[in-house]
Amino acid sequence: DTGVSQNPRHKITKRGQNVTFRCDPISEHNRLYWYRQTLGQGPEFLTYFQNEAQLEKSRLLSDRFSAERPKGSFSTLEIQRTEQGDSAMYLCASSLVEVSYEQYFGPGTRLTVT
Amino acid sequence: DAKTTQPNSMESNEEEPVHLPCNHSTISGTDYIHWYRQLPSQGPEYVIHGLTSNVNNRMASLAIAEDRKSSTLILHRATLRDAAVYYCILRPRGGNRDDKIIFGKGTRLHILP
Repeated sequence: DTGVSQNPRHKITKRGQNVTFRCDPISEHNRLYWYRQTLGQGPEFLTYFQNEAQLEKSRLLSDRFSAERPKGSFSTLEIQRTEQGDSAMYLCASSLVEVSYEQYFGPGTRLTVT
Repeated sequence: DAKTTQPNSMESNEEEPVHLPCNHSTISGTDYIHWYRQLPSQGPEYVIHGLTSNVNNRMASLAIAEDRKSSTLILHRATLRDAAVYYCILRPRGGNRDDKIIFGKGTRLHILP
């Protein structure tokens, strides 16, 4: 297994456009998390899934954001009508909570909204 | 969520030990102390965690104060590849817990060759 993968690694979009990011967790990991990180700050929690169920959403996740994990494997994070303030690194992590507290992070998708 | 306090940045010479401090005076009895680090242009990675006793693994050691209000991450022999932001995090233990990670700003560790 090669770890958590995220695509694309970089995305440049114009304000008002929609973007979608994909996260492929480590296989058999039942929890999947999304975080957002802006320059000079630590990652901020956005949402997480246990299998296909979305169990928690942060207040940071406005109505323009939606995340899915339809079959309990990969996940997508969509941002509609992007704003310049959405520019950030979007990180995905996965874990097998019954085994370990450890979360395994992907390399992130860097979004730039122009 | 319980808070941690870390220095913004630290410097160390290559091949010397590094002691990264963390204060967590409001820690509760059910909180584990976790450390993650984030290398440049990468996602965070787990380093170590502990509850009460000192812990060692291949990456680092974690020394926990007797009153658990502070801890120190120890890198025994720093290399240039250890230059990263180090995050000290409190996480509750127990079964179906809310286990999202609350990151602070961490300590940016610079290694001098």
